[in-house]
Amino acid sequence: NAGVTQTPKFRVLKTGQSMTLLCAQDMNHEYMYWYRQDPGMGLRLIHYSVGEGTTAKGEVPDGYNVSRLKKQNFLLGLESAAPSQTSVYFCASSYSAGQATGELFFGEGSRLTVL
Amino acid sequence: GQNIDQPTEMTATEGAIVQINCTYQTSGFNGLFWYQQHAGEAPTFLSYNVLDGLEEKGRFSSFLSRSKGYSYLLLKELQMKDSASYLCAVKDSNYQLIWGAGTKLIIKP
Repeated sequence: NAGVTQTPKFRVLKTGQSMTLLCAQDMNHEYMYWYRQDPGMGLRLIHYSVGEGTTAKGEVPDGYNVSRLKKQNFLLGLESAAPSQTSVYFCASSYSAGQATGELFFGEGSRLTVL
Repeated sequence: GQNIDQPTEMTATEGAIVQINCTYQTSGFNGLFWYQQHAGEAPTFLSYNVLDGLEEKGRFSSFLSRSKGYSYLLLKELQMKDSASYLCAVKDSNYQLIWGAGTKLIIKP
């Protein structure tokens, strides 16, 4: 059982380049999330999705776009990368949210460096 | 604003007990999570508290006091593999998770 899989694991970009991070989950979860993790800070939510075909902005959405065309996949795009987007990106999914527990299952992370 | 406070780093000895504190100020409260994150790896779920009191799970226990905006994670019989960061997260009134910066726990032999 793979759980949550992210690709690529590592990437180096030049300022202004674009890229897409792919997240796939095989647990049939409705909810999916993209977070970034920076030193000395808590995880920050970029965008999330409550089901196939839906997306919503999180705490730090600027400079990112997402799509959820299939239930199992959640893509995070950077249209014009900036050094401030150097970070470790985590995808997560959950079976439930709201009042239910909503334990998150995380992917292994994608380390992005923007030069 | 919303805030989660945890100590940045703690050191403990193998076999001992350590308590990691988390205090929070959030707009509403709908539960508190603890996650463990080994260096270079993904966070993994440890515990969830929504009512006051102690939840025990093997060597790990988590306590919550909603009136004090306070939780702690208690780790007993520490093992070297417990060296990791421990993340506290609170679900606010909108059911959004607010994350602390994490506590790096170093276990010494």
